[in-house]
Amino acid sequence: SSELTQPPSVSVSPGQTARITCSGEALPKKYAYWYQQKSGQAPVLVIHEDNKRPSGIPERFSGSSSGTMATLTINGAQVEDEADYYCYSTDSSGNRRIFGGGTKLTVL
Amino acid sequence: QVQLVESGGGVVQPGRSLRLSCAASGFTFNNFGIHWVRQAPGKGLEWVTVISYDGSKKYYADSVKGRFTISRDNSKNTLWLQMNSLRAEDTAVYYCAKEGGDYGEMGLDYWGQGTLVTVSS
Repeated sequence: SSELTQPPSVSVSPGQTARITCSGEALPKKYAYWYQQKSGQAPVLVIHEDNKRPSGIPERFSGSSSGTMATLTINGAQVEDEADYYCYSTDSSGNRRIFGGGTKLTVL
Repeated sequence: QVQLVESGGGVVQPGRSLRLSCAASGFTFNNFGIHWVRQAPGKGLEWVTVISYDGSKKYYADSVKGRFTISRDNSKNTLWLQMNSLRAEDTAVYYCAKEGGDYGEMGLDYWGQGTLVTVSS
């Protein structure tokens, strides 16, 4: 299968830990990436290669992957973290890319 | 700084063609693969296509294969997406995005602001 499955929504209070999951059959062999998209804006890369944070991304963002599931964790979520989050990976062929359906994170 | 600027979007009738452009600056264009990603109104991101740094490799999503063609001119720092036989379901904001790292392993690290394509009669 070449699908990535995410929960449609996650809701936390400010300061709590938010966890967004992404499941896919190819994930044991392929890296997961995470993008944040705020309303009306282009996506921003927040995690690459399962657990690496690009420069400029706050330390509260972290990633992990185990078996067929990757997880984006936001420790101490802030109101400004409200956004849609998408996981992204490569299909089993290694050539085509796929996005998960996206998760709307609400922080209030 | 890295900039990707899409253009060419607009309203087009079903069955017609449109060509999008992506002008790149602020990095060594011929060192990186570039992708097109689209987002239908109110929907999620959909990967469309990728072209390798030298244009030798191209891959497409099943939804556009045979209708869309990606190309690049490294002397002009420009990427194109030729879209033929357009359908209503191709209506979306189209983003170009640059790969990061030596082999694209760092994901899509820079994105343009997108150009809207509306397919409607």
